[in-house]
Amino acid sequence: GQQVMQIPQYQHVQEGEDFTTYCNSSTTLSNIQWYKQRPGGHPVFLIQLVKSGEVKKQKRLTFQFGEAKKNSSLHITATQTTDVGTYFCAGFDYDRGSTLGRLYFGRGTQLTVWP
Amino acid sequence: NAGVTQTPKFRILKIGQSMTLQCTQDMNHNYMYWYRQDPGMGLKLIYYSVGAGITDKGEVPNGYNVSRSTTEDFPLRLELAAPSQTSVYFCASSHRVQSGYTFGSGTRLTVV
Repeated sequence: GQQVMQIPQYQHVQEGEDFTTYCNSSTTLSNIQWYKQRPGGHPVFLIQLVKSGEVKKQKRLTFQFGEAKKNSSLHITATQTTDVGTYFCAGFDYDRGSTLGRLYFGRGTQLTVWP
Repeated sequence: NAGVTQTPKFRILKIGQSMTLQCTQDMNHNYMYWYRQDPGMGLKLIYYSVGAGITDKGEVPNGYNVSRSTTEDFPLRLELAAPSQTSVYFCASSHRVQSGYTFGSGTRLTVV
């Protein structure tokens, strides 16, 4: 069945260092979405990538969708303490034999930033 | 604009008790979802709905039931609570099936 794998599970960086989390799917995805969850909070939608090879930027965050639409990455440049949280990727795919698809979430990467 | 509202925020249940987690959204979204989140395990889909009167099972539906009588409300019912249902429960909604989700603030449930 569909699986979305995300690595690493944890990442500890010093403020100012860069951070990257990677997402891989066992199948070709229709789109991939990224969410951020602050400690004790709820997931918040960041962005959606749809096209093969797509790259989008939000200030210090860069999101990429692979050419085969099976992998994605989120890169944060010069991390700040406000970046602390868990970052989830979620790939949209269709269930086998069904016209209805849904999101498959990775397990997330928990980012800790030391001041 | 409240978005997705979940109640209660916290609850302790005894084994065998039942309860309903409430979820309501004011964005007129057709698609609604219930997830549970266990530490280090990401989000697991329990049930989802594509519109009023239409619901279907997700990955982990056992021990839960849902109903969707209106577009706004999507309550999750726990019957005969078990310790394995200790988790954080999130309700979410989306405008289209492939749109980004708006999550509620969650319900932290402990079964003892």
